[in-house]
Amino acid sequence: EVQLVESGGGLVQPGESLRLSCAASGFSFTNTVVNWVRQAPGKGLEWVSAISGSAASTYYADSVKGRFSISRDSSKSTIYLQMNSLRVDDTAIYYCTKDQGGYDYYWGQGSLVTVST
Amino acid sequence: EILLRQSPATLSLSPGGRATLSCRASQSVGTYLAWYQQKPGQAPRLLIHDVSTRATGVPARFSGGGSGTDFTLSISGLEPEDFAIYFCQQRYDSITFGLGTRLEI
Repeated sequence: EVQLVESGGGLVQPGESLRLSCAASGFSFTNTVVNWVRQAPGKGLEWVSAISGSAASTYYADSVKGRFSISRDSSKSTIYLQMNSLRVDDTAIYYCTKDQGGYDYYWGQGSLVTVST
Repeated sequence: EILLRQSPATLSLSPGGRATLSCRASQSVGTYLAWYQQKPGQAPRLLIHDVSTRATGVPARFSGGGSGTDFTLSISGLEPEDFAIYFCQQRYDSITFGLGTRLEI
């Protein structure tokens, strides 16, 4: 069974950093693209970042480019999202998703990040 | 950036009825169009990908159609568990989502 479990969310002040983790199981970790998708409270969905199975390629939305960094640790089957210089509008639930056939086939339960003074 | 406009914003129907949701792209997205369902407090769930292919386990009452810039999600014989928010997504050029349609009783 495919499982994605996010952790690391919390309350931070503007300008601070946070690292999210996504622990994956139930599939071939090194062959799979993983995405981060976020959802601000009561709002729609926004793709944030993606990383290839080999970690050779990473992709970012313009809204987070230069501030966020995605990485993966195959020994731990975990994907990370390092978020620096956080802003109030980064407040959202962050989901990691498993890409299958080019779409977000499996989703974690999400991790809430709140950026506030 | 490809914008996706969903309509209507809210659709009020009764169980047993038929829902038709629209998603219009600002430019052609080929066949790289998907639909997701989200219930309160839950993560989204993939329903339809590549315009009309149902994801694993999705009931046959859900169907997708369209091409180029205009797409629809149809739900026939609405069940109580179908009342949720539906998002369309394109993956033709980067990844963007529509703002969603709320299907309510």
